[in-house]
Amino acid sequence: GQNIDQPTEMTATEGAIVQINCTYQTSGFNGLFWYQQHAGEAPTFLSYNVLDGLEEKGRFSSFLSRSKGYSYLLLKELQMKDSASYLCAVRATDSWGKLQFGAGTQVVVTP
Amino acid sequence: EPEVTQTPSHQVTQMGQEVILRCVPISNHLYFYWYRQILGQKVEFLVSFYNNEISEKSEIFDDQFSVERPDGSNFTLKIRSTKLEDSAMYFCASSESGYEQYFGPGTRLTVT
Repeated sequence: GQNIDQPTEMTATEGAIVQINCTYQTSGFNGLFWYQQHAGEAPTFLSYNVLDGLEEKGRFSSFLSRSKGYSYLLLKELQMKDSASYLCAVRATDSWGKLQFGAGTQVVVTP
Repeated sequence: EPEVTQTPSHQVTQMGQEVILRCVPISNHLYFYWYRQILGQKVEFLVSFYNNEISEKSEIFDDQFSVERPDGSNFTLKIRSTKLEDSAMYFCASSESGYEQYFGPGTRLTVT
């Protein structure tokens, strides 16, 4: 089975940086994915990591350490529209793409 | 930019009735998925579909559920006899490679 943990909520100020951590325990691993979900909407793909290291995509970066079962999503230059839930999801080695999602981290951006 | 579409956006049905949720995946994608999200809870995997057959399913996906790709564009989820606990948002997703998955806007199913 898989266990995915991330903080429930984080608050940050507009223009600041926020780091959302995700730890996972899986029987096999073939990728860690980050999605953004605004209330009442579908998850939107942000990034994924298969190998260790940092992937940068504009204001968003994602880091992975497979040996530690750890990832983080870094959001820079926060904007009000970044207020959303951020979902960490893991793909197992023996799957056809099945994603196991964490419960999500609600990020609240304040003026 | 191509996107996954789903219909209807909201479906209300009575317990015991059959519902069919429809999805049109992105046209060059080969992998298709259904997920659901009960209000306030995490997104849960239901089933994956590749090469015209189910490739993986979760324990939620019991005999009451079925999927079909009736033509080259549509991908459907059928629930044969709905229960109150089937009330949720149902998301269809598609992927070109089995990695990046793109979600549709969802169908909100309400079972009364």
